[in-house]
Amino acid sequence: EAAVTQSPRNKVAVTGGKVTLSCNQTNNHNNMYWYRQDTGHGLRLIHYSYGAGSTEKGDIPDGYKASRPSQENFSLILELATPSQTSVYFCASGDGANTGQLYFGEGSKLTVL
Amino acid sequence: GEKVEQHESTLSVREGDSAVINCTYTDTASSYFPWYKQEAGKSLHFVIDIRSNVDRKQSQRLIVLLDKKAKRFSLHITATQPEDSAIYFCAASRSAGNKLTFGIGTRVLVRP
Repeated sequence: EAAVTQSPRNKVAVTGGKVTLSCNQTNNHNNMYWYRQDTGHGLRLIHYSYGAGSTEKGDIPDGYKASRPSQENFSLILELATPSQTSVYFCASGDGANTGQLYFGEGSKLTVL
Repeated sequence: GEKVEQHESTLSVREGDSAVINCTYTDTASSYFPWYKQEAGKSLHFVIDIRSNVDRKQSQRLIVLLDKKAKRFSLHITATQPEDSAIYFCAASRSAGNKLTFGIGTRVLVRP
């Protein structure tokens, strides 16, 4: 069973603070993604990666950075958190064209005060 | 970029009836269309997909239809059961393995 683990699961941050959301996958998938889920917007892609050392901007990258230091790990970094970044963040991994399926983590709920 | 519109925000159906969720997309180059399910308080998981080389695909009680000319695809949940109650997301990409663009989700409630 594919496994994607996110941490922390819940985080309260202050405006202007730095937040790092971490994601680990044991699927040996090349592709990893960060989405945020907001009511009325569904899931929106923030950053993604096709392999260690590479990151790409998604549809809403402003205010976020990403880091993929290894095949297994993909982090989302908010250098200066703002209340508009309060959301639920999902990490996913995918095996690419093989099946196309994404395997999602359990989500990280971030509240920026 | 691609935009995916999910036309029903909520659906309430009687147990045993069918539920139909419709989505449209804008990018004529899109060829891969998966559906994901999110149960209350949980994460998303894959349920079914369709690629542009076919116009119909069935997996047990789930049927996906694709109309490439109209840039429209739909999920049919037949003989609905209480465990089908969830939020369903449609998505599109240029190919399997490329980044997915999701719709906003449809909340399906199956009532007894």
